[in-house]
Order: sequence, then C-alpha cells, then structure tokens
Amino acid sequence: AQSVTQPDIHITVSEGASLELRCNYSYGATPYLFWYVQSPGQGLQLLLKYFSGDTLVQGIKGFEAEFKRSQSSFNLRKPSVHWSDAAEYFCAVVPTGTASKLTFGTGTRLQVTL
Amino acid sequence: GAGVSQSPSNKVTEKGKDVELRCDPISGHTALYWYRQSLGQGLEFLIYFQGNSAPDKSGLPSDRFSAERTGGSVSTLTIQRTQQEDSAVYLCASSLSGQGGWTEAFFGQGTRLTVV
Repeated sequence: AQSVTQPDIHITVSEGASLELRCNYSYGATPYLFWYVQSPGQGLQLLLKYFSGDTLVQGIKGFEAEFKRSQSSFNLRKPSVHWSDAAEYFCAVVPTGTASKLTFGTGTRLQVTL
Repeated sequence: GAGVSQSPSNKVTEKGKDVELRCDPISGHTALYWYRQSLGQGLEFLIYFQGNSAPDKSGLPSDRFSAERTGGSVSTLTIQRTQQEDSAVYLCASSLSGQGGWTEAFFGQGTRLTVV
C-alpha cells in the first residue's frame, strides 16, 4: 500500500546541535516530496519541496533535505538548531503522473533544549 | 485572493447543531483538501476534490460529515448534529495538481470549532 512514514514521533535536541528528521515513502514511482512545519498555535508552512533534479534541496530557515531513491527517503536536516525551531514537522508526498492525493506522515514533534 | 481563505476563523456551537465551514482556495487550483487537527495531534485527512472527478471521501469519520465544492472553487464542509468529539481545527488546502502543473499545497489558517 502507498504510504509515508515518519518513524520518530518525538525528538529532543540541544540548541546548536544538528538535526535529522526521517521520512520514508512507499510508492511505485518517485513521488513529489514536501516538508511542512507547524509552530505552536500556527498554521502549516512549507519548508521545502522536491519535484525533480538535484536531490539535495534547500529550503527556508536553513533547512535542507536529501532525496535518496535507493532508500525511498527524504530526510530533513539542519546543521545547527535554534530554539525557535521547536515545532511539529510533517513530511508529505504526492504520487506523480495523474493527479493524486497529497498524503501526510504522522509528524515529528521537535523539542529544543537550551 | 492571494491565499487560501477559511471562514469563520472560530466557531462555537451547541451539541446537536449543524455547522458549515467555508474554504476559498487559490484561484485556478484544481485540488482542494480538508483536514482535521485535534489538539496536539497530527493531520487527519477528511476529503479531497480534484477537478471534476468524484471526490475522495474516504477520510470522513461518519455520515454526519459532508462536503461539496461548487464550480470547482469554493468548498463547504458541513457537520450535522455536532458532537463534542468534533471539536478541532479544520484546515483547508489547495494546490495545482495534474496535467496543468504541480504545486505544493497551500493551507488556510483553519477554523477552530468548539462544540459545547
């Protein structure tokens, strides 16, 4: 079955430490891939997206993600986390080809300690 | 408008009443989604409209929930005989999806529904 998985429900990192949030998908072909962030009490904001081309994608707020076809993954990274990065992060996919439904992972809650 | 607009932003209703939530998507976007987010929880898919195709209603939790999209634009989510467990933030999103091109989904700010 087609799915998107975020294995980590909750991650805690220290401010200044590096961050990697995992996202794996299960689709027949490479889908379009997205990361969204939702800060407490806020709406959903797009961090970055992958449609095609360079597999390392740069986003806003210093985030990047790398698409790895062989691992069916699209992990989100940041070299140095700031306290303001504490939020919920959602990976999302859309199958390519004919119009298809956007599917979200269950989210990873990031806590940043000072 | 420039973005996805949802109204009302807040709605308090009595248990058993019907409510209608409105979503104005970005002009030209072919896909429209409704999600529900309970406090501290993830996104629960409700319904998906794509162009003139039959909507994907697989996420609607009960037959008290229904949605329509008129003229391929504005959408209304209706909850009949509201229950306290319906209290949540209801999010609408739209995107360009299909042969005309692809974009990410753009989200509205949501409608916070409280059933008392």
